[in-house]
Amino acid sequence: SQKIEQNSEALNIQEGKTATLTCNYTNYSPAYLQWYRQDPGRGPVFLLLIRENEKEKRKERLKVTFDTTLKQSLFHITASQPADSATYLCALVSGGYQKVTFGTGTKLQVIP
Amino acid sequence: GAVVSQHPSRVICKSGTSVKIECRSLDFQATTMFWYRQFPKKSLMLMATSNEGSKATYEQGVEKDKFLINHASLTLSTLTVTSAHPEDSSFYICSASMAGGGDEKLFFGSGTQLSVL
Repeated sequence: SQKIEQNSEALNIQEGKTATLTCNYTNYSPAYLQWYRQDPGRGPVFLLLIRENEKEKRKERLKVTFDTTLKQSLFHITASQPADSATYLCALVSGGYQKVTFGTGTKLQVIP
Repeated sequence: GAVVSQHPSRVICKSGTSVKIECRSLDFQATTMFWYRQFPKKSLMLMATSNEGSKATYEQGVEKDKFLINHASLTLSTLTVTSAHPEDSSFYICSASMAGGGDEKLFFGSGTQLSVL
């Protein structure tokens, strides 16, 4: 069956360090992968999209990698700040934009 | 940036009543809108895909007669929870994709917390 797995436990890091979140998937052939941020009681907010033929994407302090051989995406936040504290969701999108499937999310806590 | 407005943000209702949730794309046309349900500390579960002017496509296990979806225009989709029961209590979120947007990202509403007493 199809699965998308993210670190199930919360990730606590010190301010200024780089946070690395993992998204692993099985039995998928996604056309692309997205990362979203979700704050408590709010809808997710789009952060980055990376396509199957791209290895890496950057946006300001954010970096995403996508390894279709390992079936894994890594999401990095450099120089992390307490304001980065939130739950981060990865989402896989199949070809033709038929369906977006979300992982369970990883809760990140940046400690001052 | 594209904005999706969802309301109400919170609703409390008695068991057996129906609740309507609205999802509007404020500054773009949305050919497709999606409705999700999220339980505490769980991921978003897609309930249905709504296309303007046609019937919604429901995911397996989602009762279409219980969760009525109407997408009457390119800027408005509604989800009606009919004869709500306590087990329907959840966080409901809509999202929209931009017509001809090209970058395939979703824009989400702020969610509706439904509590059925």
